Order: sequence, then structure tokens, then C-alpha cells
Amino acid sequence: SAVISQKPSRDICQRGTSLTIQCQVDSQVTMMFWYRQQPGQSLTLIATANQGSEATYESGFVIDKFPISRPNLTFSTLTVSNMSPEDSSIYLCSVWKGNEQYFGPGTRLTVT
Amino acid sequence: QKEVEQNSGPLSVPEGAIASLNCTYSDRGSQSFFWYRQYSGKSPELIMSIYSNGDKEDGRFTAQLNKASQYVSLLIRDSQPSDSATYLCAVVEGGKLIFGQGTELSVKP
Repeated sequence: SAVISQKPSRDICQRGTSLTIQCQVDSQVTMMFWYRQQPGQSLTLIATANQGSEATYESGFVIDKFPISRPNLTFSTLTVSNMSPEDSSIYLCSVWKGNEQYFGPGTRLTVT
Repeated sequence: QKEVEQNSGPLSVPEGAIASLNCTYSDRGSQSFFWYRQYSGKSPELIMSIYSNGDKEDGRFTAQLNKASQYVSLLIRDSQPSDSATYLCAVVEGGKLIFGQGTELSVKP
């Protein structure tokens, strides 16, 4: 399996501000994934982060709102920009290890 | 639009019974299928993966895959109250993991 940590574990932010979420993996991986889980909903893929190239965003998600960095093979950040209450969600980082995908503990974001 | 569908539940079973969770998917090219368990307030935990038609057993859990009918199921034998959680079906499509909406399972003592 993979050991994944995320910071912060939770935060309460004011609308209009930005929050950067960090994800650290215990081994080098080619791709890292960022998911969002809105209250009472399932997981939705935001983007795929590759080291050395621009992230690939899913339909409905744009780089200006969710900029992603991937400076090396064990670390990535997701920024939630110009936040509104609709951004209140759990944000999860995940990686493939072999044929299986593992998730970090998540960052619970509340926007007031 | 590729989709993964699950009954949202809640599914309620008595302790000791078999819980049956079902999932259908739309992409006939999918080859990898997963079941995750998610306790309230926690991140998803991988419990089963299945890649070939038929059954795969792991302890009290059995995953079943039928590619011709495009469905995958999860059976939990001897259900325990600690099995109460949301179970997420996930399918790999284009190298990405796509999730169903999840089925909430409640096991009553």
C-alpha cells in the first residue's frame, strides 16, 4: 500500500480567500490525483498531476480555480482559489501503487 | 458520459446476515474494478479489487464480476455492526478511477 499524508486536515476559511492543500507520499509515483467529495456525495476527480508537466483537469474544473503544483515525485499541492461556500468539501489526494489506488486522509474545508 | 451506478440505499441488514451491494458500469472497455469502504468522516479504504469474470473471495468479502452484463457486486457474509459504512464501487476508465455514488449499509445488532 501507500502512505499518504495531507495538510491541513481541516480548515475554516472566509469566502474570497485561497487555501493550499499539501499531499506527501512515502514513495515516488508518476501520477497523483486530486478528488473532491461534497457533503453527502461521492468522489469526483478534479485533476491528475504529473511531475514536470501541467496538470490535466476534468470537465468542470479549471486551473484558475484549482491550481496544482507537482514539484517532485512524492509531493503535490492543490490550491482552492477565491473560495465560496460551494467549495466546502473534503479534498482528497490519491496515488496508484501497483494496480490499486490509495487515498490520503483528506482535508475538510468549510467556507463561511 | 461514462457512468458507474449504485443503489444509494440505505441498505439495512441484521447482524449475521449477508449484505449484497451492486454496481453497474457503462464502459464495456473497463478492465479493473474496486470496492472501497468509507466510514463517516474518513477517507475511502480499499477492500476488494477484481479484474476477471467470476468470484473473488477475501475473508467475509466476495466480489463478483460479470463483464458481459457490466455489473460488479460485493457480498459481505456474517455482517457485523462494524461493517456499517458507505461502500463505493469504482471502475478504471482511461487510467482514471471513476466512482459510483455509494451505497450506505447499516448492520443492526
